[in-house]
Amino acid sequence: DTGVSQDPRHKITKRGQNVTFRCDPISEHNRLYWYRQTLGQGPEFLTYFQNEAQLEKSRLLSDRFSAERPKGSFSTLEIQRTEQGDSAMYLCASSLAPGVFEQFFGPGTRLTVL
Amino acid sequence: AQRVTQPEKLLSVFKGAPVELKCNYSYSGSPELFWYVQYSRQRLQLLLRHISRESIKGFTADLNKGETSFHLKKPFAQEEDSAMYYCALSTGGGNKLTFGTGTQLKVEL
Repeated sequence: DTGVSQDPRHKITKRGQNVTFRCDPISEHNRLYWYRQTLGQGPEFLTYFQNEAQLEKSRLLSDRFSAERPKGSFSTLEIQRTEQGDSAMYLCASSLAPGVFEQFFGPGTRLTVL
Repeated sequence: AQRVTQPEKLLSVFKGAPVELKCNYSYSGSPELFWYVQYSRQRLQLLLRHISRESIKGFTADLNKGETSFHLKKPFAQEEDSAMYYCALSTGGGNKLTFGTGTQLKVEL
């Protein structure tokens, strides 16, 4: 296991298009998190899953955003009708649960909306 | 709501000098605090957490609940310490992380 992986690493799209990102967590980790990071800021929490259940969503996650983790393994984050303000680095992290365990981060997907 | 503040965007020190990266937090519950580090072209990784009370790569951090601070310290900076450092607060049943804006540490020769 080489850690958390994310695909694609870079995505350039035109405003109004839909995009989907994938995250593969560390195999035994039952928690999976999505964060967004814009220039000059720290990562901001978007949502998290425990197994296949999405247990919390941030107010940052507008109706255009949807995340799934259908079998409790990999997760997808879809953004519909992208806007220029969606341009950011999207980070995925995974951890064990319950308890306060270290979150292991993926390399991120950099989204640029033209 | 919880918040993490890192007042310095950039901290430049000479090799061998002491380092202190400041972090203050606001949270009404019992805080769980972390320092994450991102080296150039690498992913974000955990440096240390307050409950483990250990020293990692010579860095230590003490939780001061009275001052709501969790400053990161190292007595003698090394060139390889140059990186972006983020202080983070874990909250809620899901232990989501609230990050500060980060401090870029530059260690000069």
